[in-house]
Amino acid sequence: GEEVAQTPKHLVRGEGQKAKLYCAPIKGHSYVFWYQQVLKNEFKFLISFQNENVFDETGMPKERFSAKCLPNSPCSLEIQATKLEDSAVYFCASSQSPPDNGGTQYFGPGTRLLVL
Amino acid sequence: SQKIEQNSEALNIQEGKTATLTCNYTNYSPAYLQWYRQDPGRGPVFLLLIRENEKEKRKERLKVTFDTTLKQSLFHITASQPADSATYLCALLLGGNTPLVFGKGTRLSVIA
Repeated sequence: GEEVAQTPKHLVRGEGQKAKLYCAPIKGHSYVFWYQQVLKNEFKFLISFQNENVFDETGMPKERFSAKCLPNSPCSLEIQATKLEDSAVYFCASSQSPPDNGGTQYFGPGTRLLVL
Repeated sequence: SQKIEQNSEALNIQEGKTATLTCNYTNYSPAYLQWYRQDPGRGPVFLLLIRENEKEKRKERLKVTFDTTLKQSLFHITASQPADSATYLCALLLGGNTPLVFGKGTRLSVIA
């Protein structure tokens, strides 16, 4: 598609439950990025993929967070055993070229996760 | 420590005036600097990119400057309109395939 699609738009989970977020990048874009935005503060980079391979995972919390980009499927970000502080908007972005080429990132509308 | 600061959380200006937003950074050496616009409930939208060896970039009513000595970028919107009201984010690309680093943004309100 011509836009990055993210589902669901909103997600409510009780503390300790699992949350799974999905992202369909723009067709033809090889790079996918996940960011977390807590309470309108700055974006925190989580992880990026080049096709189905992890490109950079330096921002990914070591525990509870995992992500995948499999061929012919939307990318996913999964949080096991959610905590209150995971409440945030999670944005996905895609790009044709890697960051060191100044590649423009196109962002999806975000998934608003609320952990109660 | 490394920091990106955007001059103010909120900026109000009169329609028709030029809006100037500031992005300062410390302890970074960015290869590129980008500006994005974010509307409520939506993801950021890319506006302009400027490279470390460029002083100025323009696109329609938008102008970005980049001073690597001052470690500052200025983002100007000339002849501002109420439709320009949004949050504007600066983001640094440090090179070497490191991820984008975003500032917190400045919320611009253009008053008719």
